[in-house]
Amino acid sequence: GQNIDQPTEMTATEGAIVQINCTYQTSGFNGLFWYQQHAGEAPTFLSYNVLDGLEEKGRFSSFLSRSKGYSYLLLKELQMKDSASYLCAVRNAGNNRKLIWGLGTSLAVNP
Amino acid sequence: NAGVMQNPRHLVRRRGQEARLRCSPMKGHSHVYWYRQLPEEGLKFMVYLQKENIIDESGMPKERFSAEFPKEGPSILRIQQVVRGDSAAYFCASSPREGLADEQYFGPGTRLTVT
Repeated sequence: GQNIDQPTEMTATEGAIVQINCTYQTSGFNGLFWYQQHAGEAPTFLSYNVLDGLEEKGRFSSFLSRSKGYSYLLLKELQMKDSASYLCAVRNAGNNRKLIWGLGTSLAVNP
Repeated sequence: NAGVMQNPRHLVRRRGQEARLRCSPMKGHSHVYWYRQLPEEGLKFMVYLQKENIIDESGMPKERFSAEFPKEGPSILRIQQVVRGDSAAYFCASSPREGLADEQYFGPGTRLTVT
C-alpha cells in the first residue's frame, strides 16, 4: 500500500527552529511537496524536492532522502503566523500527476 | 493572473438535494484535481481531470458523485442526493500542462453543509 506519515501535532516557541518529519512508502516516487494550510483556508505551496538534499527558501528549508523514504521541513525564526498545518505530499512515478497526501502536522507557535 | 476560483464559497443543501461545485483553474492550466477535507483531517483525493477527460477517479465514491471538465467552462463536481456525511470542505487545485515539477495551486474551497 501507499502511506505517508507525519506527526499529528507539534509545539514550538516564537523565534525557535522546528523540524517536521515525513516518511513515505509509495509504489513509485516522482517528487515530494510541502504545503502550508492555515485553519479555514486553502493549502499553499511551500517547497518541492525530487533529488536528495536540502532546498532552502528563506526561513523554510526542505530535505529529502529517497533511499530512506524521508523528508523534513525546517522552519527557522518561528513567527506566530507560522501556526498552521503542514502537509507532506508525494507524487508517484509515471504520468499520473496525482499526489498522495499525509494527514498534516498541526504546528502551534507560542510566544 | 487570477488564481483558482471556486464557487460558491459556502453551500447549504438539505438531504436529498443536489450540490454543484464549480472550479475555474488558473489561466493556462489544463489539469484539475478535486479534494475533500473534513475538519481536523487531511486532504482526500477524489478525482483528477484534464480537459474533457477523467484521468483518475479512484478517490471518488462510485455512487452519487460525478465530475467533469468540459472543453469550455469550469470543472464541475456534482453530488446527487446529498447526505449529512457529505458535509465537508471541497477544494479544487490546478496545475499547468507541462512538467511534473509543477505544484498544484488551490482554490479557496467550497464549504458544503448538508442539513
